[in-house]
Amino acid sequence: DTAVSQTPKYLVTQMGNDKSIKCEQNLGHDTMYWYKQDSKKFLKIMFSYNNKELIINETVPNRFSPKSPDKAHLNLHINSLELGDSAVYFCASSYQGGPRSYEQYFGPGTRLTVT
Amino acid sequence: SQQGEEDPQALSIQEGENATMNCSYKTSINNLQWYRQNSGRGLVHLILIRSNEREKHSGRLRVTLDTSKKSSSLLITASRAADTASYFCATDGSGGYNKLIFGAGTRLAVHP
Repeated sequence: DTAVSQTPKYLVTQMGNDKSIKCEQNLGHDTMYWYKQDSKKFLKIMFSYNNKELIINETVPNRFSPKSPDKAHLNLHINSLELGDSAVYFCASSYQGGPRSYEQYFGPGTRLTVT
Repeated sequence: SQQGEEDPQALSIQEGENATMNCSYKTSINNLQWYRQNSGRGLVHLILIRSNEREKHSGRLRVTLDTSKKSSSLLITASRAADTASYFCATDGSGGYNKLIFGAGTRLAVHP
């Protein structure tokens, strides 16, 4: 059973295009996250939603727009893709409160290559 | 900027040996976690240590925390080839909302 799933796993596209990455979790968590991991393996948080409400919004170009239709889904839409957007994007989820709120569960990642 | 630095950046050992990875961070924390990332996969939570704890064990893992030095170490005893992965420390910082800040990671290679 897949806990946190992302689609697609690989995405190759040209500069200037618009693309979306989808994420779904079946863990019953109320908080979801998007992280970006660059080529040097640095992992940095981009956004977080709690029960469909945006709670973390890091310094990310406004070409990136997250959308959470419900607490089990968090999608990431990227407009006007640039070469520097090439990275692996990870979705994660967790509980917001309670004894296990600290543990985040990560999806397998989406490798985005912009050419 | 990255919260933490890990060293070494890469570590190569033989099966059966112990592996020690270190992490330093910059701001006060509530807790520090260690995650493992196998090649091409997502991160998996390994262990958490709270700011009022100094040492914690889980199976072959031993984590220490020194808040006065703002540093932590992860020890993997009796390593196995399956332990080959990248290991990241993550701190919760002061932002709340489970905002994790990750270090740069240590790439561990365990050779049979």
